[in-house]
Formats: sequence, structure tokens, C-alpha cells
Amino acid sequence: LAKTTQPISMDSYEGQEVNITCSHNNIATNDYITWYQQFPSQGPRFIIQGYKTKVTNEVASLFIPADRKSSTLSLPRVSLSDTAVYYCLVGAMDSSYKLIFGSGTRLLVRP
Amino acid sequence: EAQVTQNPRYLITVTGKKLTVTCSQNMNHEYMSWYRQDPGLGLRQIYYSMNVEVTDKGDVPEGYKVSRKEKRNFPLILESPSPNQTSLYFCASSLWGLDATNEQFFGPGTRLTVL
Repeated sequence: LAKTTQPISMDSYEGQEVNITCSHNNIATNDYITWYQQFPSQGPRFIIQGYKTKVTNEVASLFIPADRKSSTLSLPRVSLSDTAVYYCLVGAMDSSYKLIFGSGTRLLVRP
Repeated sequence: EAQVTQNPRYLITVTGKKLTVTCSQNMNHEYMSWYRQDPGLGLRQIYYSMNVEVTDKGDVPEGYKVSRKEKRNFPLILESPSPNQTSLYFCASSLWGLDATNEQFFGPGTRLTVL
């Protein structure tokens, strides 16, 4: 199971682009990279998932370099409502089918 | 609407009084699981279920029980709650548990306080 490392917290201002990087040096060939968002006192919510290069949806973009040892979640023009904790998961299902969340990145968007 | 529901949303109880937190999903998902979330410790998996009548321990199963008699329901049982089980609990489900690409759907959470 690939271990992930993310910054504990980040600050930004409304309208800025935010990039959160996740390191996963031990990613396996078949592993996907998945990001979840969690607002205070709510359950995590799936944001985006990718395997390589770039994935974009209506919420975010996910950039994955060729070696796949890291990934970057990009949130364009953040608003106050993007204040949340963002979790990076890699190869989330190990042989025991456990889902393991790391500590996540707490993003604070200021006015 | 596709969703995972939990009840109750808030519960204050006393040490030793058995309680059950219900979880239900309407998406015909095979995989269901329970997490607890504590400040500084993040989300930790308590139990999971690959399908009906198939359950297994997660990372922090001590003091908890689960059952999966029906596909849609996965109750969490605390036979003798203790104050260290005061936490925010989340139920989650996904289509199946054999594929890391499966999106996990989380319930709204149950905030439990054990006095």
C-alpha cells in the first residue's frame, strides 16, 4: 500500500488557484490516485481520480507526472466554500480491502 | 436520490449502555464500511463488509461489532460504550471493494458522546 505525504495545511485567498501536492513514492503499477474533499462535520466527498497525465472535471484538475511518484490537485479560482480538508489516496484498497486515509491537507480560503 | 443515511446524527449516552448506529444505502453497493474520525488522528476504518454476511476488521475494531444481514444495511454496535469511543462516525459504501477506482460514498456522520 503506497504511503502518501501531503502538506498539513495551506492558506489561500479567494480567486486564486490552489495546488496541493501529494507524494507517493511507492505507488504500484496498478494504483490509481484519488482525491476526496471533506467539509467540517461532513463525510468526505470524491473529487477526482486519475492514473497518469492529466484529468479534469468540473471541480478540479489532477496532474500526474510520468513517474507517478507525486500528484497535484489543482483548484481553479477558489472561493470561501472551498475551505475544507483534502485527502489524497493511492491504491486505496490493499489486499485486505481496507481503505486508508492519510492526514489530509487543511485548506483555508480567506476573503 | 442516491445516498447513505445514518441514524442518529447525534447521540449522548453513558458508559456501558449498549447502542446501535444504523447505516443504510440505496445504491445496491456491495462494499460498506465504518470509520471514526478524531482530531489529529484523521479517518480510521473500524470494520468493513465486502458483501452480505461478509465482514472484517479495519484498523480500530476493538469495542465495536457490525452485522451485514442485508445488502443495504450495515449497523454499528457498541455493546458497552466507553468515553474513548466518543467520536464522529461515518458510514461509507461503494459498488464493490475489489477495485481501488471505486468511489466511496459517505454518510452525513454521527456524533457520539459517551459520558
